Amino acid sequence: GAVVSQHPSRVICKSGTSVKIECRSLDFQATTMFWYRQFPKQSLMLMATSNEGSKATYEQGVEKDKFLINHASLTLSTLTVTSAHPEDSSFYICSARVGRGGNEQFFGPGTRLTVL
Amino acid sequence: QKEVEQDPGPLSVPEGAIVSLNCTYSNSAFQYFMWYRQYSRKGPELLMYTYSSGNKEDGRFTAQVDKSSKYISLFIRDSQPSDSATYLCATNAGGTSYGKLTFGQGTILTVHP
Repeated sequence: GAVVSQHPSRVICKSGTSVKIECRSLDFQATTMFWYRQFPKQSLMLMATSNEGSKATYEQGVEKDKFLINHASLTLSTLTVTSAHPEDSSFYICSARVGRGGNEQFFGPGTRLTVL
Repeated sequence: QKEVEQDPGPLSVPEGAIVSLNCTYSNSAFQYFMWYRQYSRKGPELLMYTYSSGNKEDGRFTAQVDKSSKYISLFIRDSQPSDSATYLCATNAGGTSYGKLTFGQGTILTVHP
């Protein structure tokens, strides 16, 4: 149990285009999902916290107009990188928190974004 | 000072060795502790989850928490080449933190045959 999927696993796009990444909890309901980015040989950096049915909470320094997050259901959150630029190239990972009171988080397999 | 400190290594051990991975934290509000394993180009995989001081064992893995000294450890017995990965400790305060995790820097482990 506690499986989180991400789609796509890898995407290459041209500078200026928008890219949408989906995060799904497959066998549980996730009231809270988190979006991280990770640079090579570095730890995970939290970008935003996404609660079902409400606006996402962004970490300091993360542009909310550039990284649009939607959490439309208890099993799906999406991250849209708008007008992507080469510096947005990174590994994006989502996680989902089990239930309302749980603290365990399960991570998706990640999406590697390359902006040319 | 970072809230969670973890020696990044790298750590290299022979197959069969006992591996000890450690983290310290500074925020006494942290109540929940996790260890994740991350293979290259993959998402982190939850290995251990605990919320109390003491030991928790799962197969070859033992998680140890000492809240009085703010120290957490992961021990891997009979290490295998397949254990080669980056190990991340993580913690959160529960309650109104909404599950927000604070990670250590990660320790790169290589188990050689």
